Amino acid sequence: DQQVKQNSPSLSVQEGRISILNCDYTNSMFDYFLWYKKYPAEGPTFLISISSIKDKNEDGRFTVFLNKSAKHLSLHIVPSQPGDSAVYFCAASGSGTASKLTFGTGTRLQVTL
Amino acid sequence: KAGVTQTPRYLIKTRGQQVTLSCSPISGHRSVSWYQQTPGQGLQFLFEYFSETQRNKGNFPGRFSGRQFSNSRSEMNVSTLELGDSALYLCASSAMDGGHEQYFGPGTRLTVT
Repeated sequence: DQQVKQNSPSLSVQEGRISILNCDYTNSMFDYFLWYKKYPAEGPTFLISISSIKDKNEDGRFTVFLNKSAKHLSLHIVPSQPGDSAVYFCAASGSGTASKLTFGTGTRLQVTL
Repeated sequence: KAGVTQTPRYLIKTRGQQVTLSCSPISGHRSVSWYQQTPGQGLQFLFEYFSETQRNKGNFPGRFSGRQFSNSRSEMNVSTLELGDSALYLCASSAMDGGHEQYFGPGTRLTVT
């Protein structure tokens, strides 16, 4: 049972435009959500997170939006840069198991010139 | 601050053997979690250690075990290796007690032949 889903395996965006990566979850006990970026043969790099008490969090070019009623979150990258090309994972955790992250399957973002 | 370090980076073992992987967390971090990444199953949580105690465990067989030392360094062990254990094993550390943001090491690529 895939509790965290990223339905788009890949996304291609032009440099300078907005990249929107989506993530859905099914477990209503999740209360913290994170986005990670991963290059091949490296560990995931933490990007940004959001608690379920918020609906938006910004950090520079990265903004995460959370819609609790729809059990949906999205990561916006503006403007997209070629160095953003990587696989992006969303992850979720619950209050009793904060250390246990449940990951989505990832979306490969390619930013083209 | 130095990041999470993992040794070795690459390992080739034969079916039936056992293997021990090592992880040193970011200085001051007391929680260490382990994850397995495979093409078929994605990133899956193995277990988490905090103050030398296993605090959370994923759905893996008992062949997978771990421990944490008083300096927060952690090891994971896989006994009686199977071909399906070939994967990237990632270690992550977090700062707070039950902190959500986890910072990953580069991983150990294990190949079982």
